[in-house]
Amino acid sequence: EADIYQTPRYLVIGTGKKITLECSQTMGHDKMYWYQQDPGMELHLIHYSYGVNSTEKGDLSSESTVSRIRTEHFPLTLESARPSHTSQYLCATSFSAGELFFGEGSRLTVL
Amino acid sequence: DAKTTQPNSMESNEEEPVHLPCNHSTISGTDYIHWYRQLPSQGPEYVIHGLTSNVNNRMASLAIAEDRKSSTLILHRATLRDAAVYYCILSPNLQNFVFGPGTRLSVLP
Repeated sequence: EADIYQTPRYLVIGTGKKITLECSQTMGHDKMYWYQQDPGMELHLIHYSYGVNSTEKGDLSSESTVSRIRTEHFPLTLESARPSHTSQYLCATSFSAGELFFGEGSRLTVL
Repeated sequence: DAKTTQPNSMESNEEEPVHLPCNHSTISGTDYIHWYRQLPSQGPEYVIHGLTSNVNNRMASLAIAEDRKSSTLILHRATLRDAAVYYCILSPNLQNFVFGPGTRLSVLP
């Protein structure tokens, strides 16, 4: 079973601030994903990575950026947070067998 | 990505079987059929997946139509803890996972 850690779990921040949501995993999974989910709504894939130095945009356009310098880490950055970025951000990993493992999520509120 | 169609919501009585349908008429030969569920205030969790043959695990069974254009997730005995949103997803070559609205399952005591 994968261990996936997301920090912070909750963040309240003012408009215009730069934020980085951290996602780390300890199982060496090659594939990592970021999903965005508003309360009661479906998940939207915003970024994914199939390995180190590989990142792709998902189906939902997002102003965030990601990097994958190490297998274990897949941070998501917002250069200038806006109220429209208020949402829950879920990180997930998978390996060749195909099962997705999710972290507990980071709930972001931008005032 | 190939799309799936699920009912918005379903109801079941506790301790009865539940059949959750999913239509995926545009499925391609390399698409795996995945099911995840999301309990309130939690991230999604894996339930089961398959390609062509029916699959069973400790949580559920997955019945795949012969033409692969539809599938059914079967919970053999629903419990109150099974109340969740259930997502049916097609994943090309086990690479990408795009979630739809899912089916909200309510379990009545």
